[in-house]
Amino acid sequence: QQQVKQSPQSLIVQKGGISIINCAYENTAFDYFPWYQQFPGKGPALLIAIRPDVSEKKEGRFTISFNKSAKQFSLHIMDSQPGDSATYFCAASVALSGYSTLTFGKGTMLLVSP
Amino acid sequence: DTAVSQTPKYLVTQMGNDKSIKCEQNLGHDTMYWYKQDSKKFLKIMFSYNNKELIINETVPNRFSPKSPDKAHLNLHINSLELGDSAVYFCASSQVSGGAHNEQFFGPGTRLTVL
Repeated sequence: QQQVKQSPQSLIVQKGGISIINCAYENTAFDYFPWYQQFPGKGPALLIAIRPDVSEKKEGRFTISFNKSAKQFSLHIMDSQPGDSATYFCAASVALSGYSTLTFGKGTMLLVSP
Repeated sequence: DTAVSQTPKYLVTQMGNDKSIKCEQNLGHDTMYWYKQDSKKFLKIMFSYNNKELIINETVPNRFSPKSPDKAHLNLHINSLELGDSAVYFCASSQVSGGAHNEQFFGPGTRLTVL
């Protein structure tokens, strides 16, 4: 059972364009939604995260939009740059007695063409 | 300084062998994890240790045995390796405090190839 569904699987965007990656979840107990960025040969690194008490969070060119009623959240990359080319993972977690584990989406390979 | 380190980076071995992957974090975190990333890049939690105690053990064959000698180390031992074990294994760590969600820091990964 895949608890976090991510789309698209791959995305090609022109330099300067907007990249949009979408995720949907099923478990209403999830209370933390991070996005991770992974470059080839490297481990994932936290990019930006949101909690369900806000509908949007922005950090530089990266914005998370969160729709609690629809159980969906998305990552928007404004003014996409070739250096943003990487695999992006959405994730979700729920705190369990002080512990939490991340459930990842299947990832989106983003290519930003020069 | 590397926050989460893993050795080796690459591991090529024959079916049936036993191998270990080591992980160390110098962040002072109390929780460490092992993830498996398959050929389609899907990341899945395998184990989680808090203060050397196993707290999460997902559906993983018992050929996989994590060992945490101290808070800074979480090693993964794999017995009787199978072709399907070929993947990239990531170690991660985080500081768990009062139920708050904190960033997980990932290591560079170990690419295991079973021939």
